[in-house]
Amino acid sequence: AQRVTQPEKLLSVFKGAPVELKCNYSYSGSPELFWYVQYSRQRLQLLLRHISRESIKGFTADLNKGETSFHLKKPFAQEEDSAMYYCALNYGGSQGNLIFGKGTKLSVKP
Amino acid sequence: EPEVTQTPSHQVTQMGQEVILRCVPISNHLYFYWYRQILGQKVEFLVSFYNNEISEKSEIFDDQFSVERPDGSNFTLKIRSTKLEDSAMYFCASSRGGTETQYFGPGTRLLVL
Repeated sequence: AQRVTQPEKLLSVFKGAPVELKCNYSYSGSPELFWYVQYSRQRLQLLLRHISRESIKGFTADLNKGETSFHLKKPFAQEEDSAMYYCALNYGGSQGNLIFGKGTKLSVKP
Repeated sequence: EPEVTQTPSHQVTQMGQEVILRCVPISNHLYFYWYRQILGQKVEFLVSFYNNEISEKSEIFDDQFSVERPDGSNFTLKIRSTKLEDSAMYFCASSRGGTETQYFGPGTRLLVL
């Protein structure tokens, strides 16, 4: 069955430190993966998706099919990066139904 | 920039009552979704809707739930007879295509007493 795992509930780093938010998935088909972010008192919004292979706000994520991972990375964290981060998998094919991980709360301290 | 809107932002209801949660998707979007998030748990898919019919629904979406697009702009989720365990944040989302980015609404926090 399809599953998304984010092993860390909370990740706390200092400003300027590198950040890696882990995401592993289980899916028998061809995975389509996303990172969504939710800043305090704001809605869920897409941060990036693996097929676009772009960097948003300094974040990147590479799909590793061998390790079934899609970790989110940023070399130098900023205080404004503090938020909840959710990894999501499209398991609905053309319908786009998403399955989410439990989320990781990133706290960037000054 | 257009956004998905949801009303109400909060709803408190008694167990057994019917509730209707409303969403206005982005106007040129064709795919619509409902998700929910029980406090402290993950966001869970409930149902997807395209071309005026349900495309897919999860195990959570039982006979107590229904969705409707009554007037071409609103997209509603009805819970016929609420249970305590229906207390959650309900998110609506919409996208232009099934594989396109989903844009989420701010959510409706439902509390069933």
